[in-house]
Parts: sequence; structure tokens; C-alpha cells
Amino acid sequence: ETGVTQTPRHLVMGMTNKKSLKCEQHLGHNAMYWYKQSAKKPLELMFVYNFKEQTENNSVPSRFSPECPNSSHLFLHLHTLQPEDSALYLCASSQVDRGLGYTFGSGTRLTVV
Amino acid sequence: EDKVVQSPLSLVVHEGDTVTLNCSYEVTNFRSLLWYKQEKKAPTFLFMLTSSGIEKKSGRLSSILDKKELFSILNITATQTGDSAIYLCAVEDGPGGGADGLTFGKGTHLIIQP
Repeated sequence: ETGVTQTPRHLVMGMTNKKSLKCEQHLGHNAMYWYKQSAKKPLELMFVYNFKEQTENNSVPSRFSPECPNSSHLFLHLHTLQPEDSALYLCASSQVDRGLGYTFGSGTRLTVV
Repeated sequence: EDKVVQSPLSLVVHEGDTVTLNCSYEVTNFRSLLWYKQEKKAPTFLFMLTSSGIEKKSGRLSSILDKKELFSILNITATQTGDSAIYLCAVEDGPGGGADGLTFGKGTHLIIQP
């Protein structure tokens, strides 16, 4: 266990479904992130939340909608996804300006059918 | 274009060999360079480098940063089959004072054969 917990571990959804990914960190960090990892591509930063405020949205399509109700929880709401959105979605957290690195969760393997 | 470039993309060696993995970067406001090991899902933290020329070591792994030439290397000596994994290099790029996230390379897929 890394201290960052993601659920579910695996998710299969149809293109018309609505689902949510959940991330919870138990490290007392103040920043949380969503990354997408597709085959043969680098991890791509999707969203950044710093003290619950979204500070970055890397041109992510609106079918991905993040939510950060507090500094320990992060959600990624999904709707009308495409098959090319199938990937491993990783959550990470960090303590800003402490220089202690980023801690990742185990990810949610998403398959869109 | 790629901001973080890792080489080689894949490498197969025998147990006991020494390997050197490379990472070059090009960013505007460099803050730190990080190495991660990814075996199944969660990337696990190896090193964080901020200063040039200072080697960081952890057991058989070591890493060093060259901020003038904009690259870092990760060395693994006396490799074991458990070292088989994808090694990720990432750069923290931003003005500081806030959360900036990481820019990753594609990774080096290392396979250690018995």
C-alpha cells in the first residue's frame, strides 16, 4: 500500500454509461493529480488540484470531469467515453514545496466497449 | 515534441550485469527530476534529484543529474530478476509555489534474464 488508494481496480463501461473513479490519500498531502497511461505513450497529466482548487487542466475533453471535495479525496467522473479512452488512470498526491516527490496509487484499468 | 526522452526504450540483459538508463529533458522552469519503477501498476518512487553532480544511492541503484547538459542516468549494478520493470523518468517543471505535476518520458522496459 502506497498511502494512495484507488477504486475500482478494474472498470468496463459502455460508451453511454456514466461512472466515477475514486482516489483517497492518507498521507496528509495538499495536492492531488490525475494521470492517464496508455500503451506506448508517456504518462499524461490530466488534472491538478492544489488545496482543493483546480490549477491545471491539460486540454482534457469535457467527457472527463474531476471533483475534489477535500484535500484527501479526488474523483474523476466519466460519461460518454470513447474506446480510445481505455487506459490505466493513475492518481497521485504530493506535499507542495516539500520536495518529497509524488506518491501514486495502483490505478484503475478502464476499458470502454 | 517530447520534453523528456528516455533511452533505450527497451533493454534485455542477464542477471548480474550492470545497466545504465538515460533520461534527457528540455523544460523551461526545471525544479526536479524523478525516477520511478513501475512493475504492475503503481509507479514506486526511487530518486528525486535537484542538484547537479550529487549522486544518490539506494542499495544497487544510483542516479546522478547534470543540469548543464540536461540529463540524468540511473545505474543498476549486479542486476537481479526482480529488477525487471519499466523505469520512468519525470521532470517537475514550473515556477514553484504551487502544484505543477510531472512530465514523464516513455520509460525504459528492462528485462533481466536468469
